[in-house]
Amino acid sequence: KAGVTQTPRYLIKTRGQQVTLSCSPISGHRSVSWYQQTPGQGLQFLFEYFSETQRNKGNFPGRFSGRQFSNSRSEMNVSTLELGDSALYLCASSLVVGGGELFFGEGSRLTVL
Amino acid sequence: QQQVKQSPQSLIVQKGGISIINCAYENTAFDYFPWYQQFPGKGPALLIAIRPDVSEKKEGRFTISFNKSAKQFSLHIMDSQPGDSATYFCAAGPGGATNKLIFGTGTLLAVQP
Repeated sequence: KAGVTQTPRYLIKTRGQQVTLSCSPISGHRSVSWYQQTPGQGLQFLFEYFSETQRNKGNFPGRFSGRQFSNSRSEMNVSTLELGDSALYLCASSLVVGGGELFFGEGSRLTVL
Repeated sequence: QQQVKQSPQSLIVQKGGISIINCAYENTAFDYFPWYQQFPGKGPALLIAIRPDVSEKKEGRFTISFNKSAKQFSLHIMDSQPGDSATYFCAAGPGGATNKLIFGTGTLLAVQP
């Protein structure tokens, strides 16, 4: 069974640009969550989707957005990139909503110059 | 109230020893407490999880001890092995219909042969 797939794995952008990251969950998983991981702030929750609906959003500015498609694949977008957006962006999928095991992908490492 | 405090930041243990990592939380609404293990270049992977209705859960060499009144929980790794060298994150879930997790800051464990 394939795991959570995130693309691209690495990318470099400059300040002011925007970026779109993609996540394909494990087959059959309809819940997708996104986390930002940085050395200073650790793992921070960005948002959570289930059946194409955003169920929860973390404390991030409106420049961070996401969506989920009917096939459960998800994308997140960061507009007007800032240096502080450099991070590992992790996607996790789950079979259930509410205390279910999160299966993480290997992440997309974003560097903003 | 949403924080999960984790200690120590780093830990060095001899092979065969016991590794102990501690976490504390404030929000009594949390009802799901997982531990995740992360190797370099990989996403976090669920190690073991507990709910507040039990005080201890053991899976192989890994044990979670949970103290509801003190709002603390800990991970014990018995017979630590060099292959256990990784970063460990505790987390807390707020309950309800969400997979949102609040993560601790992580503990870098090094098991020396």
